[in-house]
Amino acid sequence: DIVLTQTPLSLSVSPGQPASISCKSSQSLLHSDGKTFLYWYLQRPAQSPQLLIYEVSSRFSGVPDRFSGSGSGTDFTLKISRVEAEDVGVYYCLQGAEFPRTFGQGTKVEIK
Amino acid sequence: QVQLQESGPGLVKISETLALTCTVSGASVSGYYWSWIRQSPGKGLQWIGSTNYGGNTNYNPSLKGRVTISVDTSKNQFSLRMNSMTAADTAVYFCARGATPFSWGQGTLVTVSS
Repeated sequence: DIVLTQTPLSLSVSPGQPASISCKSSQSLLHSDGKTFLYWYLQRPAQSPQLLIYEVSSRFSGVPDRFSGSGSGTDFTLKISRVEAEDVGVYYCLQGAEFPRTFGQGTKVEIK
Repeated sequence: QVQLQESGPGLVKISETLALTCTVSGASVSGYYWSWIRQSPGKGLQWIGSTNYGGNTNYNPSLKGRVTISVDTSKNQFSLRMNSMTAADTAVYFCARGATPFSWGQGTLVTVSS
């Protein structure tokens, strides 16, 4: 199985400040069709996860543009340009390159 | 906008079979892949498996053949069956659209106990 390793595992950020989460894969997520299948989700407290970013850098419908994804191959990053109170929760990366799909361990983001 | 709602027993006995259903609205189950994911209390997410109407299924090998996911087009639902349940299977079970989940249901807590 592909292993995804997220760092850091927790993050405390002041409102309006940037935040960055890394996700490293045990193997390349570049598919033969040229797409890279790395996704980012946010699970707010007591809610189900919601998709933020698909295929490394495309924002899902309704996701604010303060969220951005980047990376290639095995190294990926989710950035929040200016953290807001509603961004609190656990962020997960997921790989869609192979079955079984696998998630990172999660990064808990809280507001200072 | 697609909406998904899980239903099923909140309590399952050890060694018995879990059966959950996901009712889909806003989309036809025959048109997409559908998946199940679970989250043990206080833990991360585990992808269980996915299927589509055509019967293209993929399961997490870590569940050792205990899982069946199927689609019922007449009810616009899909389902999860997991046998030989143990306490380690206690979790919130989510249904979602896509083999790589895009839209998720709210989740249903399943507790396994004797």
